Amino acid sequence: GQNIDQPTEMTATEGAIVQINCTYQTSGFNGLFWYQQHAGEAPTFLSYNVLDGLEEKGRFSSFLSRSKGYSYLLLKELQMKDSASYLCAVRDSNYQLIWGAGTKLIIKP
Amino acid sequence: TAGITQAPTSQILAAGRSMTLRCTQDMRHNAMYWYRQDLGLGLRLIHYSNTAGTTGKGEVPDGYSVSRANTDDFPLTLASAVPSQTSVYFCASSDDGGSTDTQYFGPGTRLTVL
Repeated sequence: GQNIDQPTEMTATEGAIVQINCTYQTSGFNGLFWYQQHAGEAPTFLSYNVLDGLEEKGRFSSFLSRSKGYSYLLLKELQMKDSASYLCAVRDSNYQLIWGAGTKLIIKP
Repeated sequence: TAGITQAPTSQILAAGRSMTLRCTQDMRHNAMYWYRQDLGLGLRLIHYSNTAGTTGKGEVPDGYSVSRANTDDFPLTLASAVPSQTSVYFCASSDDGGSTDTQYFGPGTRLTVL
């Protein structure tokens, strides 16, 4: 079967750095996405990785290792508004997105 | 631009009743999707449409139907609602001509079936 694993919840301090991990086992791989979802709102696109390595976009970076079936989202200089759920999704061989259950990130002052 | 709109925002529905969830996008995206999101689970694909006039089944299609008469609209119908269909429903669209084919989501419909 296909599986995306992420920690259920993480806590971090304002101004700090946090890394959210995602491991996957899917039938095929055609890219990995990270989305942010605030409570009661829609998911919004953060990043996309299809090749191994690090993609940096402002305070957010995403890393991919296809051989290890592993990705992480790195959030720097955490702000209170970063409190949200972070969803990892992999596009499989059928070009459908397989979604993890999400990691709820709690930021404390 | 509005992006993707969904209606209604929320609804309480009696079991056995039918209902159509509406979804409209103004981005001229070819592909559209319906997901449900339940606590502790990832988004699960119900149905999708790669282009107007075509639809396909996702991971959890039973009890749901869709149509895609034009590019902009992608309604989801529950013919006879059951309590297990209580969920938050998200519509999404993507431009499959783009390099990443990123999906963009509507605000969601919170449905409670009693």
